[in-house]
Amino acid sequence: DAEITQSPRHKITETGRQVTLACHQTWNHNNMFWYRQDLGHGLRLIHYSYGVHDTNKGEVSDGYSVSRSNTEDLPLTLESAASSQTSVYFCASSDLRSTDTQYFGPGTRLTVL
Amino acid sequence: SQELEQSPQSLIVQEGKNLTINCTSSKTLYGLYWYKQKYGEGLIFLMMLQKGGEEKSHEKITAKLDEKKQQSSLHITASQPSHAGIYLCGAPKGSYGQNFVFGPGTRLSVLP
Repeated sequence: DAEITQSPRHKITETGRQVTLACHQTWNHNNMFWYRQDLGHGLRLIHYSYGVHDTNKGEVSDGYSVSRSNTEDLPLTLESAASSQTSVYFCASSDLRSTDTQYFGPGTRLTVL
Repeated sequence: SQELEQSPQSLIVQEGKNLTINCTSSKTLYGLYWYKQKYGEGLIFLMMLQKGGEEKSHEKITAKLDEKKQQSSLHITASQPSHAGIYLCGAPKGSYGQNFVFGPGTRLSVLP
């Protein structure tokens, strides 16, 4: 069965370190998204990609970067982790059309000390 | 920019009771999606509504989109502990945009 996976599921890191969160989907979806979920803010879009070599900034992109070298993967990098980036991160994917359902990964809980 | 509001923020009901969660948009919706999230897990897709007046049901959950396409309701009949979780509504930002905006969520607890 097609799926979307994230790794690691839990990560503890220190302020200033570079961290990369992996997202892998086997739906063969063109669109991939990264969100963070925080109490009081709900889900907020960090970065998204409409296809290979395409990346775009979402509403909370500062301090994060992504790259899309193939259809299946969209890794999220925190260049220099900050305590404000402690959150739960979700990856999602969807097919071509704007109204297609987004399917979500299980999430990565990141703690920055 | 488009925003989604949900009400109530949280809900505690006795098992067997019916309940309704609402999602209201500041702009016309091009589609409305309902998701359920259990603590520590990802979002699970429940239903998608696109047409004004549309209504869909799955097991004991019914979702409706009003004629003006600015409000949706999620109704659970005869609630069970398995219905507990956070319900989120989401919508594409525009007719061509693949980006989604999500409501803040409604936390549902069902007491046995």
